[in-house]
Amino acid sequence: EAQVTQNPRYLITVTGKKLTVTCSQNMNHEYMSWYRQDPGLGLRQIYYSMNVEVTDKGDVPEGYKVSRKEKRNFPLILESPSPNQTSLYFCASSPWTSGYTDTQYFGPGTRLTVL
Amino acid sequence: AQSVTQLGSHVSVSEGALVLLRCNYSSSVPPYLFWYVQYPNQGLQLLLKYTSAATLVKGINGFEAEFKKSETSFHLTKPSAHMSDAAEYFCAVSDRNAGGTSYGKLTFGQGTILTVHP
Repeated sequence: EAQVTQNPRYLITVTGKKLTVTCSQNMNHEYMSWYRQDPGLGLRQIYYSMNVEVTDKGDVPEGYKVSRKEKRNFPLILESPSPNQTSLYFCASSPWTSGYTDTQYFGPGTRLTVL
Repeated sequence: AQSVTQLGSHVSVSEGALVLLRCNYSSSVPPYLFWYVQYPNQGLQLLLKYTSAATLVKGINGFEAEFKKSETSFHLTKPSAHMSDAAEYFCAVSDRNAGGTSYGKLTFGQGTILTVHP
């Protein structure tokens, strides 16, 4: 089954404790992206990647890191989480064959709480 | 910069009634527009998209949307609501601005929660 998977689905942590949220897709997609969803704000892009070893900032990159060492994986790293990073996080991918009209496929989400 | 405004954070309809979810966009270039649906505890799923072909776009589950350039709108409709349509709906515009901005970024509206009453 074609899908985007994220782990963990739920995570409660404390301020300053480094964490990684994994994202993997099995569709051989070039493009991957991370969004955060907050009530009343919709989804906002954190980082994106056009291909292996190619990443760039989205609208709200502060406090986050990403890497793209393999085409299928795009982990999101919070080096020193803070309470304002409590949010629902989504990973998405697309083939980038048609560029801006491509459908993005979303993972199930990771609900992160930072105490 | 592009932006999306969804009018009404909550919409409530009776089963069998018309569903109308409003979306207005702001864009300096002809936009590519999307509607996504998010069911409880799930990721976003594409309902339909406008890519400058037909202005009336049909999607899954009986939904459709009409692109109206003069009104800068892309409202989502369904003639008859079903209980299974209860979800949160997001309108989004694809960022086509080049020159170092985010490629592939979707700019989302705030979302509209649809409630369907029996």
